[in-house]
Amino acid sequence: DTAVSQTPKYLVTQMGNDKSIKCEQNLGHDTMYWYKQDSKKFLKIMFSYNNKELIINETVPNRFSPKSPDKAHLNLHINSLELGDSAVYFCASSQGTLTRPTDTQYFGPGTRLTVL
Amino acid sequence: KQEVTQIPAALSVPEGENLVLNCSFTDSAIYNLQWFRQDPGKGLTSLLLIQSSQREQTSGRLNASLDKSSGRSTLYIAASQPGDSATYLCAVHGRTYKYIFGTGTRLKVLA
Repeated sequence: DTAVSQTPKYLVTQMGNDKSIKCEQNLGHDTMYWYKQDSKKFLKIMFSYNNKELIINETVPNRFSPKSPDKAHLNLHINSLELGDSAVYFCASSQGTLTRPTDTQYFGPGTRLTVL
Repeated sequence: KQEVTQIPAALSVPEGENLVLNCSFTDSAIYNLQWFRQDPGKGLTSLLLIQSSQREQTSGRLNASLDKSSGRSTLYIAASQPGDSATYLCAVHGRTYKYIFGTGTRLKVLA
């Protein structure tokens, strides 16, 4: 019954490694997002996809690459991990589009990434 | 550039009190504003969504108001309970087609 799910919940890895975080939503939504929440709990959008198409790409290092195989999935791949990448990453989805954002956003439980 | 500020940053109240959380934003050209709740180590749960054409929304003991012209929203929590303890975030969706989040208010309701 989970609406937006993410795996893994915790990820501990060494600097320089490559890792992926997966996100799936079973709500039938058209739009999905990745957010980063830093140590001060500030939440900032990274990417947004609508029907598998990249809509928002914030000022994020190109080591971060989102991939949407279908509109129910939005994965985040991170290359050459750095200490500053340590944060909690949240996936979210909504029915509304970016130009008609009328609907609630539903968030996943988050993935806590720790880079050593 | 849209900036969203929440005051206070932290609040501690005894059980049963009514309380108000504030959210202010600098660009009044918004589509909607959402209030979220975040429990420690958990994701965000949407509490209330106010469209730009609306003045307020209510759900149970929660009431959110929106004054676009002054760039303000308030979340009113009636008869607070220990279970209301969490961080409350407001997020504004505006002309940049993305949600801008505030820094949150950490609420603790004492039994």
